[in-house]
Amino acid sequence: DAKTTQPNSMESNEEEPVHLPCNHSTISGTDYIHWYRQLPSQGPEYVIHGLTSNVNNRMASLAIAEDRKSSTLILHRATLRDAAVYYCIRRGGSSNTGKLIFGQGTTLQVKP
Amino acid sequence: DAGITQSPRHKVTETGTPVTLRCHQTENHRYMYWYRQDPGHGLRLIHYSYGVKDTDKGEVSDGYSVSRSKTEDFLLTLESATSSQTSVYFCAISDDRGYEQYFGPGTRLTVT
Repeated sequence: DAKTTQPNSMESNEEEPVHLPCNHSTISGTDYIHWYRQLPSQGPEYVIHGLTSNVNNRMASLAIAEDRKSSTLILHRATLRDAAVYYCIRRGGSSNTGKLIFGQGTTLQVKP
Repeated sequence: DAGITQSPRHKVTETGTPVTLRCHQTENHRYMYWYRQDPGHGLRLIHYSYGVKDTDKGEVSDGYSVSRSKTEDFLLTLESATSSQTSVYFCAISDDRGYEQYFGPGTRLTVT
């Protein structure tokens, strides 16, 4: 089973950092960790991905534990527009098919 | 934004009728995917394509067929629609690396 474990929901205040956890204890050495988010009534949107090292981009940071069994998506300053469902996904690195197996994700609420 | 469109955006049809959904891209990406999204199940992969005339099944392919005769178009067909196929259907594209998938706006299909 390639699914990951995430909390069902989290709350944050606007302009504060948000740390979204993900457990992937059975990850293999070639599996990438991807994060997508889905805003209401829209298709999913790519956020970030990583393999072993921490990653940063304009949207977020991804912190991967040294044993790779967990990771954390960090939104440095949450805005109301960040309210969405966030999906943490494992993807086999040995294949180019890019097949993503979505779990239930974490619903993030951002309070003004 | 990636150039990906879906048509129709909404459709209501009767049980037993054939339905074809179209996904069109302007990015010249090799990989294209069809997902469905239902409450309580998240997104699930139906079929995907890794080139013209090259397709393969995903995790929920029963009752669906696909075709890809041109790089830019990926068609999803329900040969005989059933009420269990009422869902929101998303198309996605990615390049050969598969690190980022770009999703279309979705098609809401209701089978009565």
